[in-house]
Amino acid sequence: AQSVAQPEDQVNVAEGNPLTVKCTYSVSGNPYLFWYVQYPNRGLQFLLKYITGDNLVKGSYGFEAEFNKSQTSFHLKKPSALVSDSALYFCAVRDPYSGGYQKVTFGTGTKLQVIP
Amino acid sequence: KAGVTQTPRYLIKTRGQQVTLSCSPISGHRSVSWYQQTPGQGLQFLFEYFSETQRNKGNFPGRFSGRQFSNSRSEMNVSTLELGDSALYLCASSLERGPETQYFGPGTRLLVL
Repeated sequence: AQSVAQPEDQVNVAEGNPLTVKCTYSVSGNPYLFWYVQYPNRGLQFLLKYITGDNLVKGSYGFEAEFNKSQTSFHLKKPSALVSDSALYFCAVRDPYSGGYQKVTFGTGTKLQVIP
Repeated sequence: KAGVTQTPRYLIKTRGQQVTLSCSPISGHRSVSWYQQTPGQGLQFLFEYFSETQRNKGNFPGRFSGRQFSNSRSEMNVSTLELGDSALYLCASSLERGPETQYFGPGTRLLVL
């Protein structure tokens, strides 16, 4: 069975500092990995995804994530945090080898607080 | 292109009632998935529809059901509502299945009293 873990409930970072939101996954084959962001009282917005190819994926709003197969991780990063980045971030995984089209599994979410 | 729309945005029901939520996917998208979001459980997958057929189902009781129409619009129904069904219900659409990106609607916030 596939699973995804976000070990930190909350991450605090000062504005202008680099930020990292951690995600690890477990699937039987090569995963499809996604990051979404949720602002208060809104649905989830897509940030980026990894399907295959270059391990470094660039996405919206200056975010990027690095796929690390040996560590089964897909951490979200940004070189310089903005106060407007404060939101709830979700990592998600889909295992393409589990019965054809397995459902998407989301992590529990990490609240990012950027301090001015 | 219009995004995913969900109606209604807010609902208040009482225990034992039933409710139907609606989702209109992005034009051209054929896959629709539903999720329940609560503070305690996070995002829980309910079901996925593609070409009017349920393709995947999460671990929810039979009180939760859904369907998809020929125009890809989807509805989900919850019968015999319980207090624990209070949640934000999110609908997401994607062009196809597999590695496609899901695009989420704003959600329907259901409060069961």
